[in-house]
Amino acid sequence: RKEVEQDPGPFNVPEGATVAFNCTYSNSASQSFFWYRQDCRKEPKLLMSVYSSGNEDGRFTAQLNRASQYISLLIRDSKLSDSATYLCVVTDTGRRALTFGSGTRLQVQP
Amino acid sequence: NAGVTQTPKFQVLKTGQSMTLQCAQDMNHNSMYWYRQDPGMGLRLIYYSASEGTTDKGEVPNGYNVSRLNKREFSLRLESAAPSQTSVYFCASSYRGAGDTQYFGPGTRLTVL
Repeated sequence: RKEVEQDPGPFNVPEGATVAFNCTYSNSASQSFFWYRQDCRKEPKLLMSVYSSGNEDGRFTAQLNRASQYISLLIRDSKLSDSATYLCVVTDTGRRALTFGSGTRLQVQP
Repeated sequence: NAGVTQTPKFQVLKTGQSMTLQCAQDMNHNSMYWYRQDPGMGLRLIYYSASEGTTDKGEVPNGYNVSRLNKREFSLRLESAAPSQTSVYFCASSYRGAGDTQYFGPGTRLTVL
């Protein structure tokens, strides 16, 4: 079983739509959680950290459910520029390194 | 600030050749990392260096060696390249550890024939 599992997609949505991505992780000792964004043939970049209480950054909302070991990302009012792969990321025990999911590809269409 | 830089951007090797991938950061970060990314596999950690003078194995260290030359530079060496090492290699750095934001370099696309 992969340590971090994501639906690979692609999710094809029209501009203005709301889309949600989910992620599950297997290491109950993981301490920090993130969503990174990766554009085609580019490096990953931090989109947002995920906190236990849930957090929002503009059109993006992230949720964490430690009991179910589940992380989500909600994107409202999708823009063409949101088209990318979204990587669910958790730290290992001791927060020494990151474990990445394989990513969920989003394609926003005009 | 350049952030994290990597050289080369592209490389083609023959099986058995060796090469070193270079990485440098100018953000005064303590921790540095090497990942590889293969289609459908996500990024996998090869080695990391929590601080200058220390290195540790990650998930897929076989066939690789690293050197933390100083606080800024962290190199990855392939001693005898194999086709299975064809991948995109990313270097990253963070201020303290994995709980902090990791900043990635642009990547090196390596093909081993």
